[in-house]
Amino acid sequence: GQNIDQPTEMTATEGAIVQINCTYQTSGFNGLFWYQQHAGEAPTFLSYNVLDGLEEKGRFSSFLSRSKGYSYLLLKELQMKDSASYLCAVREQTGANNLFFGTGTRLTVIP
Amino acid sequence: EAGVTQFPSHSVIEKGQTVTLRCDPISGHDNLYWYRRVMGKEIKFLLHFVKESKQDESGMPNNRFLAERTGGTYSTLKVQPAELEDSGVYFCASSVGHSGANVLTFGAGSRLTVL
Repeated sequence: GQNIDQPTEMTATEGAIVQINCTYQTSGFNGLFWYQQHAGEAPTFLSYNVLDGLEEKGRFSSFLSRSKGYSYLLLKELQMKDSASYLCAVREQTGANNLFFGTGTRLTVIP
Repeated sequence: EAGVTQFPSHSVIEKGQTVTLRCDPISGHDNLYWYRRVMGKEIKFLLHFVKESKQDESGMPNNRFLAERTGGTYSTLKVQPAELEDSGVYFCASSVGHSGANVLTFGAGSRLTVL
């Protein structure tokens, strides 16, 4: 089976840095994805990690440790528009395209 | 380019009725997926089409759910007859191929409420 855990809610201040953690236990591993979802909208792709280490993309970075079954999404210079749910998803098998999602972390950015 | 489009955005039906949800993927995307999120739970995989063929339907809950993708373009997901536990948001996603990241692009979802 699959088990993907993320904190349910987080609050951070505008301009600050926030780290959203994700731990996973899956039968196999072929990539970890982070998506952002504003209420009532489509989840939108943020980042993809398949090898250990840090991937940086502007204000957003994502880290992966396969041996620990652990990832985090780092958001810098927080803006009010970053208030959203952040979804961690794991792809289990090579060739399989379906993703297994965590329940998501609702981030609220306050002034 | 146009994104993944889903219709309707919200449907309210009574238990025992039928509902058909439609998904138009991004043009040229061979892969089409259906996912569902019931309240308070995670988004869960339902099935995966490659063109018009069902590649994986291991997530379909039961035989009240029927998905089709005639011609390999748009897809429909029919629930017949609907039950209370079918309420949730049904997401469609599409992607181009199988290699590398193969990023899924999602639609905004169709919210289904069964009364």
